[in-house]
Amino acid sequence: QKEVEQNSGPLSVPEGAIASLNCTYSDRVSQSFFWYRQYSGKSPELIMSIYSNGDKEDGRFTAQLNKASQYVSLLIRDSQPSDSATYLCAVGSGGYNKLIFGAGTRLAVHP
Amino acid sequence: DVKVTQSSRYLVKRTGEKVFLECVQDMDHENMFWYRQDPGLGLRLIYFSYDVKMKEKGDIPEGYSVSREKKERFSLILESASTNQTSMYLCASSTLSQGFQETQYFGPGTRLLVL
Repeated sequence: QKEVEQNSGPLSVPEGAIASLNCTYSDRVSQSFFWYRQYSGKSPELIMSIYSNGDKEDGRFTAQLNKASQYVSLLIRDSQPSDSATYLCAVGSGGYNKLIFGAGTRLAVHP
Repeated sequence: DVKVTQSSRYLVKRTGEKVFLECVQDMDHENMFWYRQDPGLGLRLIYFSYDVKMKEKGDIPEGYSVSREKKERFSLILESASTNQTSMYLCASSTLSQGFQETQYFGPGTRLLVL
């Protein structure tokens, strides 16, 4: 069974700090990795995708991928209360564009 | 912008009823997916479709069926609703994979309560 593991949290950080969210996956041949943000009662929305080892930056968000260690992380710089949400890690799995989702990490940014 | 819509935001049904959830996307995407999301369990794939009239079982297809008669529309059917099908149902769509898996775009979700 292919798995994606995330710490459920809550991860509590003060406003302005860096939030670090981590995800590990079991399928060594996975090539596509995604971070989604989900506010309470809402549907997931894409933050970033990453396909190559290393860092990918988009505004305050940086995704990091290490395929050898099978982990992917998301850094949020200058965290804001509006970043408080559940963050889902998703990993590509096999054909037909299927993704496997982690259960999510709840982030709480306090003023 | 990709737009995925779902027929209802909230539904209340009784045990044994047949339930239809409909999803429509406007981006000409080939792939469409149905998930359910429960606290602590994340998103679990029920069924997906990669073309009109084509469907594949996901991880938890029992008690569900699907229909895709048109490219833009993907329906989830609960043949005889049960209380353990109370959940948030999410539809997603994506374009055809070009080697790597592509981003999935989600609809707003349907919160179903089965009494």
